Amino acid sequence: DVKVTQSSRYLVKRTGEKVFLECVQDMDHENMFWYRQDPGLGLRLIYFSYDVKMKEKGDIPEGYSVSREKKERFSLILESASTNQTSMYLCASSFRQGRGETQYFGPGTRLLVL
Amino acid sequence: AQSVTQLGSHVSVSEGALVLLRCNYSSSVPPYLFWYVQYPNQGLQLLLKYTTGATLVKGINGFEAEFKKSETSFHLTKPSAHMSDAAEYFCAVSGVSGGYQKVTFGTGTKLQVIP
Repeated sequence: DVKVTQSSRYLVKRTGEKVFLECVQDMDHENMFWYRQDPGLGLRLIYFSYDVKMKEKGDIPEGYSVSREKKERFSLILESASTNQTSMYLCASSFRQGRGETQYFGPGTRLLVL
Repeated sequence: AQSVTQLGSHVSVSEGALVLLRCNYSSSVPPYLFWYVQYPNQGLQLLLKYTTGATLVKGINGFEAEFKKSETSFHLTKPSAHMSDAAEYFCAVSGVSGGYQKVTFGTGTKLQVIP
């Protein structure tokens, strides 16, 4: 089974702090994704990566950056956390590029910014 | 451009009753369509997907969905609801944007199963 793990289930940070969310997948997948999930808005893509050291902006990249130094690890960085970044963050991976590829999700990190 | 509309943010059914969750899509290319399920405090997992071929797709846990091109729909059904089906369900469409695969998710439908 594919396993996608996220470093924290719950996180509380203060406004202005730098926040790191880590995601690791164990199935040698090429593609990794970061989404945020908000009630009534569904999942929105923040950033994605199709290869090591490669990144592409998604639909809502403002206020976020990412890092992919190793194939199995994809980090989401909030440079200066703000209250409007309070949300559930979901990491996902898929085997390769292709419209029919299944995405495998981690359990999520619920972030509260005070 | 692509989009997904899920009708009804909350649906309640009695245990043993038919489950019907509605999804309509918009896509400029032949769509690849997905249903994912999210149980409480978990990430999403794939229920089923349509890529090409047979328009009636069977998934896990007794769910199925039918791709209807003329109606631009991909509704999810299950003949008999079980308490364990209580979860949030997301419909999604996969296309290409900027040369890369892009998946667009609907806003989700929370299914409540009443004993």
